[in-house]
Amino acid sequence: QKEVEQNSGPLSVPEGAIASLNCTYSDRVSQSFFWYRQYSGKSPELIMSIYSNGDKEDGRFTAQLNKASQYVSLLIRDSQPSDSATYLCAAFNQFYFGTGTSLTVIP
Amino acid sequence: KAGVTQTPRYLIKTRGQQVTLSCSPISGHRSVSWYQQTPGQGLQFLFEYFSETQRNKGNFPGRFSGRQFSNSRSEMNVSTLELGDSALYLCASSLAGAGGPMNEQFFGPGTRLTVL
Repeated sequence: QKEVEQNSGPLSVPEGAIASLNCTYSDRVSQSFFWYRQYSGKSPELIMSIYSNGDKEDGRFTAQLNKASQYVSLLIRDSQPSDSATYLCAAFNQFYFGTGTSLTVIP
Repeated sequence: KAGVTQTPRYLIKTRGQQVTLSCSPISGHRSVSWYQQTPGQGLQFLFEYFSETQRNKGNFPGRFSGRQFSNSRSEMNVSTLELGDSALYLCASSLAGAGGPMNEQFFGPGTRLTVL
């Protein structure tokens, strides 16, 4: 059974703070992991992908993967109001998604 | 480069009817995946087509089917519609499909299906 779990939130952070989003997955088979952002009324858009243990940084975003703990996270530094969205974690060759974490960045 | 397009954008049907949704992938992309998104269940994988063959399948009943044409365009069909089929149906395309790194998915705008 392929399951992806996310902290459902909602999560609120003040502008400029670090937002931390977490995701666990049920099966060690998964080799690739993805974070998508979905604005209300829009379709998901890919923001980060990670395949190896450790950290991967892209601008204000850092994805962290720990395959032994079956855990992947997304950190958003210097959060901006425009980051307010639902963040979806995907695993298992990108087909299986968590239910999403709603993030609100308060100005 | 044009993005993923889906038609129609909105659809209203009644129980028992059937519906066909269409998806045109990004030019050059050979993989098309379909998802159902509802507030309660989130984004759920239906199936993936690659080079006209269904390569991966989620846990949906046989009422949900799909196909892919030689130009990579894909259609999804739902027969004998139920109220619970009301959802946003999203398709996503990628260059070479799932199973490996670098095969990022790009989502279309979705088709909002309402079953009355």
